Amino acid sequence: DARVTQTPRHKVTEMGQEVTMRCQPILGHNTVFWYRQTMMQGLELLAYFRNRAPLDDSGMPKDRFSAEMPDATLATLKIQPSEPRDSAVYFCASGFTYTSGIENTQYFGPGTRLTVL
Amino acid sequence: SQQGEEDPQALSIQEGENATMNCSYKTSINNLQWYRQNSGRGLVHLILIRSNEREKHSGRLRVTLDTSKKSSSLLITASRAADTASYFCATDAYSGGSNYKLTFGKGTLLTVNP
Repeated sequence: DARVTQTPRHKVTEMGQEVTMRCQPILGHNTVFWYRQTMMQGLELLAYFRNRAPLDDSGMPKDRFSAEMPDATLATLKIQPSEPRDSAVYFCASGFTYTSGIENTQYFGPGTRLTVL
Repeated sequence: SQQGEEDPQALSIQEGENATMNCSYKTSINNLQWYRQNSGRGLVHLILIRSNEREKHSGRLRVTLDTSKKSSSLLITASRAADTASYFCATDAYSGGSNYKLTFGKGTLLTVNP
C-alpha cells in the first residue's frame, strides 16, 4: 500500500533554531507539494515541484523557508531561523500530473506538527 | 482569497441522517475534488469530478457540480459516527505557463453523533 511518508511526525524547537522536514513521495509520482495548515489560515500551499523542478514557491516566506528535491525520493522543507508563528502542521503530498498541467488526485502524508517556542 | 469555500463551516447530525456540504468557487475549473481529514491526520482524497460532469457517485458519496453557478455539493448518505471529520473541496487554479495548482477551502467540520 503506497503512501507518502514524512519525518519527523512531531518537532518542538526553540525560536531561532533550524528545522528540517523530510518527505518521501509515492514512487512514480512526478509532483510534490508542501502545505502548511493552521486554524486561522487553513491549508496553504507553500511550494510544489514537478519532475524535481520547483514550479511555484510563491506561498513560502523566502527569507527563512527553502524547499528542495535532492532526488526523486526525497523532498525537504527547511526553516531557518524558525519563529513561533511558524508553528503549524506541515503536510507533504504527491501526485501524478499529465503534460496538460491539470492537477489530479493528491496523496497526503501524515504531516509534521511543528511547535516553535 | 480562497478559490473554494465550503458551507456550512460546521454541521452536526445524528447517525443515519444524510449530510450535505456545499462548495462555491470563483473562477473556471478543470476539475473539483473533495477530501476528508480526520483529526490529527493528513487529507484523504474522496472523489474527483471533472468540469464536463454533473454528478458522480462513490459508495455513500454523491457529488454534484454546477459550473454555471460555480458550485458543488457533497452528500453523504446514511452517515456513521466514523464519518466525523473535516471535509474540503479543492479546485484547480491556473498558476502560469501550463501549470495548475489545487486550492483548498477551509473545510466543513462534520460531527455525526451516535
